[in-house]
Amino acid sequence: KNEVEQSPQNLTAQEGEFITINCSYSVGISALHWLQQHPGGGIVSLFMLSSGKKKHGRLIATINIQEKHSSLHITASHPRDSAVYICAVTDRGSTLGRLYFGRGTQLTVWP
Amino acid sequence: NAGVTQTPKFRVLKTGQSMTLLCAQDMNHEYMYWYRQDPGMGLRLIHYSVGEGTTAKGEVPDGYNVSRLKKQNFLLGLESAAPSQTSVYFCASSYSLAWANEQFFGPGTRLTVL
Repeated sequence: KNEVEQSPQNLTAQEGEFITINCSYSVGISALHWLQQHPGGGIVSLFMLSSGKKKHGRLIATINIQEKHSSLHITASHPRDSAVYICAVTDRGSTLGRLYFGRGTQLTVWP
Repeated sequence: NAGVTQTPKFRVLKTGQSMTLLCAQDMNHEYMYWYRQDPGMGLRLIHYSVGEGTTAKGEVPDGYNVSRLKKQNFLLGLESAAPSQTSVYFCASSYSLAWANEQFFGPGTRLTVL
């Protein structure tokens, strides 16, 4: 049983397309994180949110706490957006502030 | 600031050999974590540390040991490597057990055990 589920697993898009990646979770959370992992590279944090919506450049993250669901949107996608996008949640019930990770969504954007 | 660094970046071991992975952070973070990442699976917590001199087991601790003798360093040891430990290992750190717990990740170490 995975506490965090992402969809789709793989996503291919043409440059300029609008992209949505979804994340559902089953635990009570204090925050949800969207992370980006480039091939051969490390993992960087894109967003950390606990309610509403956040925007950074062409990236938008939304969360619906009642439905236990978050989406990551990329507007006007570009080949440099090609990466694995990982959803993670901070377990509210954990004294460690334990993170649970989704399996990731592999995004490929073609020129 | 270098952030979180890991050495080595790549390593190939034979079954039964031992090695130590080093993680260093220069952000004065209290909390440090070791994860492994395997194909088709999310990151899984191996061990963690909530401060200098303290360590604890995570989700998949078997076959690994850790030490945190200095606040800035977190070492992950494999005493007798097994092929099942072939993986990419990530170290992370965070400032505190704040409610949100934003973690900063190192670049990863790709380990192959033959």
